[in-house]
Parts: sequence; structure tokens; C-alpha cells
Amino acid sequence: EVQLVESGGGLVQPGGSLRLSCAASGFTFSSYWMSWVRQAPGKGLEWVANIKQDGSEKYYVDSVKGRFTISRDNAKNSLYLQMNSLRAEDTAVYYCARDLTQYSSSRLDYWGQGTLVTVSS
Amino acid sequence: DIQMTQSPSSLSASVGDRVTITCQASQDISNYLNWYQQKPGKAPKLLIYDASNLETGVPSRFSGSGSGTDFTFTISSLQPEDIATYYCQQYDNLPTFGGGTKVEIK
Repeated sequence: EVQLVESGGGLVQPGGSLRLSCAASGFTFSSYWMSWVRQAPGKGLEWVANIKQDGSEKYYVDSVKGRFTISRDNAKNSLYLQMNSLRAEDTAVYYCARDLTQYSSSRLDYWGQGTLVTVSS
Repeated sequence: DIQMTQSPSSLSASVGDRVTITCQASQDISNYLNWYQQKPGKAPKLLIYDASNLETGVPSRFSGSGSGTDFTFTISSLQPEDIATYYCQQYDNLPTFGGGTKVEIK
């Protein structure tokens, strides 16, 4: 059974940093792209970043470029999101998702339960 | 960035009704479109990929169609467990989601 379990969320002051983790199990982690998607309270979904199987390609939404870094450790079956210079508008539930990108198709086929990040003084 | 315009933003329908949601892309995205269901307090769930392919295990009352810029998601016979918010998502470029459609029972 595919499982994705996020951790690391919490309350942080504006300008602060936080590192989210996502522990994957039930599939060959190193064979899949992975993504982070966030959802501000009461709002819709926003894709944040994704990373290729070997970490050689990473993409970000414009609003987090230069502040967030996605990474992975295939030996530990883990995905990470380092978030720096946090702003109030980064407050959201952050989901990790398996990114089934292959040939001309792409979809987020499994999602974790999410971890809440609150940026407030 | 490719913008996805989803409509309506909410709808109310009776059990057994046919429900249709539309999603319009700001440019041609071929069939690079997925649909997700999100129930309150839960993570999103993939229902339809590549515009019209039903994800494994998803009931056949859910369907999708379209290509280019105009897409449609349909629930053929609304069930009480279908109460949720539905999102379209394009992947022609970096992924973007539509604003969501909240489906309620009348």
C-alpha cells in the first residue's frame, strides 16, 4: 500500500525557516517524480514544486523561487521541502504527492494527509 | 503561466442528478488535464487523468472529456458520497489547478 506521511509543520514567525519531510513507503520511491502541493485555509490547491527521480531536475512555482528548495533522499525514501524567508501568504497545509510523470502524461496519483504550516508573529 | 478557469464555483443538485463541471485553459493544453476530488479535511484524490481516463478503482459514474482549451467533468448520477470540491489541473507546463467546484446535495 502506497503511503506518504508528511511532518515538520508548525508555527513560525515571518522571515523564519521550516523544513518539511515526507516519508514514502509501499512503492519504489526512487522511480518516481515527487511533488509538493499546498492549500491555504479555505482556498484552492496550488502546486509548489517537483523533483525528478534522481534529483537532477527541480521546478518551482514563481512565488517560492529562491526561498524554497525541494530535495530528496532515495536511500531514506524521503522527500523534503526547505522553506526560508517565510511569509504570511505561505500559511497552508502542505501535501506531498507522488508525481506519475512519464512520456507525455503526468498526474498526482497518491497524496499524503498534509502538514499545516502557519506563518504568524 | 497557464490559467485554468473552472465553473461553476459551486452547485447544488439532487441525488441521482447529472452534474457537469467545466474547465477552460488559457491556451491549448491538448489533453494534459486531470480531475481531483477533495472531501472536507481530506487530501485530494485523483479521479480522471489525461482528460478522459478513469483512475483505477474510481466509480464509472465519473467521466471526463475535452481537449485543447475546453474540458468537462461529469458525474452521471450524483451520490451522497460525492459531496466534495472538485479541481481540474493542467500539466502542459508547470502544473496549475482550477479554482475548484464545491458540490452539495440539494
